Amino acid sequence: ETGVTQSPTHLIKTRGQQVTLRCSSQSGHNTVSWYQQALGQGPQFIFQYYREEENGRGNFPPRFSGLQFPNYSSELNVNALELDDSALYLCASSLRTGKETQYFGPGTRLLVL
Amino acid sequence: GNSVTQMEGPVTLSEEAFLTINCTYTATGYPSLFWYVQYPGEGLQLLLKATKADDKGSNKGFEATYRKETTSFHLEKGSVQVSDSAVYFCALYIYGGATNKLIFGTGTLLAVQP
Repeated sequence: ETGVTQSPTHLIKTRGQQVTLRCSSQSGHNTVSWYQQALGQGPQFIFQYYREEENGRGNFPPRFSGLQFPNYSSELNVNALELDDSALYLCASSLRTGKETQYFGPGTRLLVL
Repeated sequence: GNSVTQMEGPVTLSEEAFLTINCTYTATGYPSLFWYVQYPGEGLQLLLKATKADDKGSNKGFEATYRKETTSFHLEKGSVQVSDSAVYFCALYIYGGATNKLIFGTGTLLAVQP
């Protein structure tokens, strides 16, 4: 069974640029959630995708957007990058049951200069 | 609103000492509760979970009991090892509508010395 994978592992961008992060969900999972973890903080929920549609969103501006594909993999896109977007971005996959457990990937560390 | 409060770290222990990391929560509805562990430079690993009141989650010598009456989910281990050094996150999950998400505490850094 393959776990959650994310790419790239590290990324450096400059302010104003755009970035795309990728996530492959664990085999058998149909839901993907994205979290932002700033240094020294707990992860903060960005949004969740279920059956290719956004299903819940945290307190993040519209320049954070996403996609889920038919194979349940997902992308997180961030436009007009700001310095405060520097963080570890975590993807978690789960099987929607109502009492599901989310399993996390290793994360993508984004540095915005 | 829904929230999780963890004891602040760092927690510094000697090897084989007893560990307790306190976690309390505020939630509407009936959350599932989790402990995740994060080793340096890595993502989150599920440590244990409990989905209803009085459930006890356990894994790798760690335990936590879902206490609805005290809204708590304290993490314990009888004898810590140097390899347990990491950041531990308590989290709750409520399913329904726009709240299909994990809500995390701020994390507690555990440092175990030989």
